[in-house]
Amino acid sequence: DAGVTQSPTHLIKTRGQHVTLRCSPISGHKSVSWYQQVLGQGPQFIFQYYEKEERGRGNFPDRFSARQFPNYSSELNVNALLLGDSALYLCASSFAGREKLFFGSGTQLSVL
Amino acid sequence: DAKTTQPPSMDCAEGRAANLPCNHSTISGNEYVYWYRQIHSQGPQYIIHGLKNNETNEMASLIITEDRKSSTLILPHATLRDTAVYYCIVVSTGYSSASKIIFGSGTRLSIRP
Repeated sequence: DAGVTQSPTHLIKTRGQHVTLRCSPISGHKSVSWYQQVLGQGPQFIFQYYEKEERGRGNFPDRFSARQFPNYSSELNVNALLLGDSALYLCASSFAGREKLFFGSGTQLSVL
Repeated sequence: DAKTTQPPSMDCAEGRAANLPCNHSTISGNEYVYWYRQIHSQGPQYIIHGLKNNETNEMASLIITEDRKSSTLILPHATLRDTAVYYCIVVSTGYSSASKIIFGSGTRLSIRP
């Protein structure tokens, strides 16, 4: 079975632009979480979705938004990109959101 | 803020047991201890979890103290491929929990040949 897949794997944007990152969970998993990982730090929680509803939100500005689709895939959107948004963005899936997470390999975003 | 405290780095000789400590003194009754590891440039990988009893699987053993305020992850025979950052995380599985899993800075484990 396929694991968690994320696209694209790498992305370069300039300040002020908008970006959309995509995630497909493991088949049968209904929960998707998004994390931001800056170099040298642990992953920081951004959002969790379960059954298409937002279940949790981390301490990120409103420029960050997400949604989950009926097939349980998810998008993370970031508007008005800043240099500080450069990071590895990780998606994780689980069956119901309160058990072990399965992570994708991430999208490496560079903002110039 | 993370609910756990881990040493920033450790090293271990290849073939020996690696013992990674974690302090979670504010853990509450419905919170589990989870361990993940992250090998460079990859997403974190689940290792093991437990509530109050010791647990063992094909990857590692988890020893939780009786008062549940600390735990130790044991990799019985460390190999070079075990070089990674190891995260100890406290997770609430209560129905009304916020369900956000908070990673700390982890322990960078280096395995020396």
